[in-house]
Amino acid sequence: AQSVTQLGSHVSVSEGALVLLRCNYSSSVPPYLFWYVQYPNQGLQLLLKYTTGATLVKGINGFEAEFKKSETSFHLTKPSAHMSDAAEYFCAVSSNAGGTSYGKLTFGQGTILTVHP
Amino acid sequence: DAGVTQSPTHLIKTRGQQVTLRCSPKSGHDTVSWYQQALGQGPQFIFQYYEEEERQRGNFPDRFSGHQFPNYSSELNVNALLLGDSALYLCASTSYNEQFFGPGTRLTVL
Repeated sequence: AQSVTQLGSHVSVSEGALVLLRCNYSSSVPPYLFWYVQYPNQGLQLLLKYTTGATLVKGINGFEAEFKKSETSFHLTKPSAHMSDAAEYFCAVSSNAGGTSYGKLTFGQGTILTVHP
Repeated sequence: DAGVTQSPTHLIKTRGQQVTLRCSPKSGHDTVSWYQQALGQGPQFIFQYYEEEERQRGNFPDRFSGHQFPNYSSELNVNALLLGDSALYLCASTSYNEQFFGPGTRLTVL
């Protein structure tokens, strides 16, 4: 079984400040890890993903995340927050069980990011 | 190239009724997954269809059923609606190495 824990349901930062959203996962098999963003009344947009290879992953809009196996973590960061980053962020885990295309995603509870001027 | 589309956008039903939600995957994507996102929660996996068959299923009762058509589009059916079925229903289409979500259908059960 796989699970995801996002530490902090709400994070508030000032514009220009560092954004750090925390995600820890549990998986009995090598994980695939994802960060999605959801704006109000919209679906999910993929920010970045880790499957294999380089553990530091760069995504869209200046976000990046680092896969740390020893810490079972996949924290999302952005050096400088922008007002347009205000949204809800979801960390998710999957696996390539069966060798086919992505299996089910297991999501965390989400973190709402607020950016203050 | 159109992304994942879902219909309808919003739907209001009463308890005990049945509902059908529809999803058209991104061009070239052959796998469709459905998720339920209750208010304030992360999405929960319902099931996944590939080659017109249910390949994986989450922890949802049999009231939730689906179908995939030869053109890869998919339907989610929910019977005997309960108040707790009120949620945003998301469809995701997948080809190898990429997964894309649609905008969702907001279902309200009164």
